[in-house]
Amino acid sequence: GAVVSQHPSRVICKSGTSVKIECRSLDFQATTMFWYRQFPKQSLMLMATSNEGSKATYEQGVEKDKFLINHASLTLSTLTVTSAHPEDSSFYICSALDPGQILYGYTFGSGTRLTVV
Amino acid sequence: AQSVTQLDSQVPVFEEAPVELRCNYSSSVSVYLFWYVQYPNQGLQLLLKYLSGSTLVKGINGFEAEFNKSQTSFHLRKPSVHISDTAEYFCAVSDPSSGGSNYKLTFGKGTLLTVNP
Repeated sequence: GAVVSQHPSRVICKSGTSVKIECRSLDFQATTMFWYRQFPKQSLMLMATSNEGSKATYEQGVEKDKFLINHASLTLSTLTVTSAHPEDSSFYICSALDPGQILYGYTFGSGTRLTVV
Repeated sequence: AQSVTQLDSQVPVFEEAPVELRCNYSSSVSVYLFWYVQYPNQGLQLLLKYLSGSTLVKGINGFEAEFNKSQTSFHLRKPSVHISDTAEYFCAVSDPSSGGSNYKLTFGKGTLLTVNP
């Protein structure tokens, strides 16, 4: 089945620095990937839709200059948290849909726990 | 916009007991419905989905769900739970008319299922 790899699984960074999170589709090509943010004991909130070769579409209230998304190839999307602050600490998850297996639904990465100190 | 309500934030049960996790969604002409499971510090794993056809859907790990259009519900059930079923469960809905094959998912707030010995 479709596999999505997310890296790193856990990162601790200092306030003011930037952090890059990678999301890869391992055995399929994904023209679209989604980035979610999850606060403790809460649901997933869609942050943005990452489109290969074009600009990402951000949900209302998400700062595009804060959360930079680059979808440079059909198998890789990256989320960069710029000038991170403690309030950016959260669990970030990506997902993608294998166009050849639409009936199987979205595949999610294993998530990245970001802690800003 | 679609919305999903998971009526119970926490459901404690004893091992080998039956369980039902409730999910209601806002009405639409047609919807795709999903149940995902999340173990601590991990991504989401698809349990089952309803796209069309039979209203009783069987998934992995012995779970099943029934789509009820008149009640706009998609409750998840398992006749006998194991301790290993302890996890967070998310119901999600999508409007297949939005975004073509790259439909957005809207998640409920999740239900923490705790199976006690």
